[in-house]
Amino acid sequence: QSVLTQPPSVSGAPGQRVTLSCTGNSSNIGADYDVHWYLQLPRTAPKLLIYGDTNRPSGVPARFSGSKSGSSASLAITGLQAEDEADYYCQSYDGSLNDYVFGSGTRVTVL
Amino acid sequence: QVQLQESGPGLVRPSQTLSLTCTVSGGSISGGSYSWNWVRQPAGKGLEWIGQIYITGRPNYKPSLESRLSMSVDPSKNQFSLRLTSVTAADTAVYYCASSLAIGSLAYFDYWGQGTLVSVSS
Repeated sequence: QSVLTQPPSVSGAPGQRVTLSCTGNSSNIGADYDVHWYLQLPRTAPKLLIYGDTNRPSGVPARFSGSKSGSSASLAITGLQAEDEADYYCQSYDGSLNDYVFGSGTRVTVL
Repeated sequence: QVQLQESGPGLVRPSQTLSLTCTVSGGSISGGSYSWNWVRQPAGKGLEWIGQIYITGRPNYKPSLESRLSMSVDPSKNQFSLRLTSVTAADTAVYYCASSLAIGSLAYFDYWGQGTLVSVSS
């Protein structure tokens, strides 16, 4: 059971905006530890998408954006494209567990 | 750009030791303030951070695995390694090595190896 909770699936039509949530507690996201997001295409390694709550690494399109409030964080994808169909994971640090923790993952399906 | 490549046996017998090596290219393992990490993913499941090590050799392990885990760095070969003892079927997973430029509680994983499947079976 993951420390960070993500919805198992989210879907949207091409061009739409979808939002993925990541819910933690007072030991991780709620303690203001940074949240990072990764994209994982089938049978490939994860790829860093967002770091430090809101920052995009070089090469990541601006239609991916991150935010954080309280014990939750969100990843928004605007202008959904077929190539965005993948699994998305959030990650943070848990001060009580002394552990880097991942969310359970959300599968994005483009209708 | 940093590239990482895992290597090691794909099959380990129960109760034996799992050993993997990650070779770093495109940058020096001794450069900067990087930490070098291992993350695993059982089939059809999510990601699990295992441990990290710095060039100083100071490791940081997932608490639940600490008693079975050791990591080391070999700057001369630009490699870092993982040893997990007394493995069971629950340790079957794809193992990724990953780098992190940020340190401590700020760490995130910016570069990843392609992953290597390790199965624990008799």
